[in-house]
Amino acid sequence: KNQVEQSPQSLIILEGKNCTLQCNYTVSPFSNLRWYKQDTGRGPVSLTIMTFSENTKSNGRYTATLDADTKQSSLHITASQLSDSASYICVSKNYGQNFVFGPGTRLSVLP
Amino acid sequence: GAVVSQHPSRVICKSGTSVKIECRSLDFQATTMFWYRQFPKQSLMLMATSNEGSKATYEQGVEKDKFLINHASLTLSTLTVTSAHPEDSSFYICSARIRDSPYNSPLHFGNGTRLTVT
Repeated sequence: KNQVEQSPQSLIILEGKNCTLQCNYTVSPFSNLRWYKQDTGRGPVSLTIMTFSENTKSNGRYTATLDADTKQSSLHITASQLSDSASYICVSKNYGQNFVFGPGTRLSVLP
Repeated sequence: GAVVSQHPSRVICKSGTSVKIECRSLDFQATTMFWYRQFPKQSLMLMATSNEGSKATYEQGVEKDKFLINHASLTLSTLTVTSAHPEDSSFYICSARIRDSPYNSPLHFGNGTRLTVT
């Protein structure tokens, strides 16, 4: 069954700290793994997209990793800012039109 | 670039009425658009895939006669919630992929429509 799990469900950190969000997927045949940021009441915005052959990809203070063997991905946020408070959604895509969305991790960055 | 405009952002309607939500790609053409609904603190649930010039493909459990999708042009898809009921209250989001873009291209999302049925 195509599925994406994320942990933790929610996370609270202080401004300036780093954090890592986890994603496990069971999507086949695997095409790519995406991370999106969704602010409350807005649509998701793409952060990174990684294919099978990519292990890591950065977008500013966001760094995503991918282990296609263990089917795990992580999103590391460095030097968090208040504006990083959002839901982070892991999405896996197979070789078709099928995108499988994870439940998201709700991050709160406190001053 | 690659902006998706969704309208309206908020709508309140009475039970039994119909509501139309528009999704436009402003600066690109989109052969395919996707419609999702999202309940509070949950992730997006794909409702249907909208294909320009042909019928939409609905996910299992989504009533196609209740959620009418029209994708009449390469820049516009509409979702009409017919005979809305309070349980249809949700956050509806569309996304689009740039026409002929590679398989690992990003989806571009609208900012969603908050529907409240009273």
